[in-house]
Parts: sequence; structure tokens; C-alpha cells
Amino acid sequence: EAQVTQNPRYLITVTGKKLTVTCSQNMNHEYMSWYRQDPGLGLRQIYYSMNVEVTDKGDVPEGYKVSRKEKRNFPLILESPSPNQTSLYFCASSPTNSPLHFGNGTRLTVT
Amino acid sequence: EDKVVQSPLSLVVHEGDTVTLNCSYEVTNFRSLLWYKQEKKAPTFLFMLTSSGIEKKSGRLSSILDKKELFSILNITATQTGDSAIYLCAVRETSGSRLTFGEGTQLTVNP
Repeated sequence: EAQVTQNPRYLITVTGKKLTVTCSQNMNHEYMSWYRQDPGLGLRQIYYSMNVEVTDKGDVPEGYKVSRKEKRNFPLILESPSPNQTSLYFCASSPTNSPLHFGNGTRLTVT
Repeated sequence: EDKVVQSPLSLVVHEGDTVTLNCSYEVTNFRSLLWYKQEKKAPTFLFMLTSSGIEKKSGRLSSILDKKELFSILNITATQTGDSAIYLCAVRETSGSRLTFGEGTQLTVNP
């Protein structure tokens, strides 16, 4: 089944403890992107990648890192999480200039 | 900075009503406008619009784009309770890299 898989689905952590949210797609898509969704703010783009080894900042990249060493994987790294990073995170992928396919989301709480 | 504004932010209707959701945008280099439906999980794709004046239709849903006035509308006729969701509008720029979302319209359809 064609899908974007994020893990974990739920995560509660403490301030400053490094974490990684994984994202994997099995559709051979070139484009991948991370979003966070907050009430009243909609979906905001954190980072995106046009292809392997090519990543760029979105609208809210502060406090996040990404890597794209392989086409299928695009992990989101929070080196030192803070409470303002508590949010619902979505990974998405697509062929270039085509509609995004979204993962099921990761709900992160930082205390 | 790219901007997408949706209205209304919230809408409550009765089954059978027809609704019109609005999306206006300011994007430096417009490529396409996309509509998504989000229930309790990942957004799912509805329409992608690239040309003015051409209506896209899928069952009771339809959408049209006006590139001169920089807006799009999403119509839902004969609404059902299953249409209750957040409807998201997004605009993609020419390079294909940046996808900017609006806040979304929360639609509630009561029986």
C-alpha cells in the first residue's frame, strides 16, 4: 500500500531531551516536507526536500533539523525541544509539483 | 511573504444545505492552488487548480480558481454529516518547493 509512515504517533518528552520523528514513504517521491499544525495558525512548513541531499528551510525552521540521505526517509530532529514545540506534526511527500500525500501525524508534547 | 486567507474560519450548517468556502492568496510566483479535507487525521487531497475559470468537480464538491482576483471557492452541495471537517486551502509557488496553507475552515454539518 502506498503510504507515508510517521513514528511515533504520540510522544511526550521533557525540555532539552533530543528526539527524532521518523518519516518514510514507499512511493519513490522526490519531494518531502514537514509541517506543524497549531490551532489558529494552520499548517506551517518547517523544512522541505526537493530530492536526496537537498533540503531547505520552510517558514518555521528554528529549533528543527532534517536530513535526506535516502529518497524514502526524511527524519525530523529536535536537538533541544522546548514547550513551544508542542504541536501536531505532519510529514508529506509527492512527485515534484503534484499534490501532497500526508502521514497520519505525530502529536508531540514537550513539558 | 506568501499569504493564504480562508473564510469563514468556522461554519455550522444543516444537512442538505449548500456551502461555499473561500480562499484568497498573495503569492509571488503562483503555480497551483490545492484544497484538502482534514477529519481527525491526515489531510486528504480534494482538488488541484492551475487555470482560471475551469471548474473541477467531484460528486457534490466543486472548485474554481480566479487568478486575476487571486481567489478560489470550494462548493459543497447537499451537505451530509460526513462532510464535517476542516477544509484547507494551499498555494504552491512556481519552483514547486513552498506550499503555503491557510488556517482552514471548520465545517460542521448537523443532522
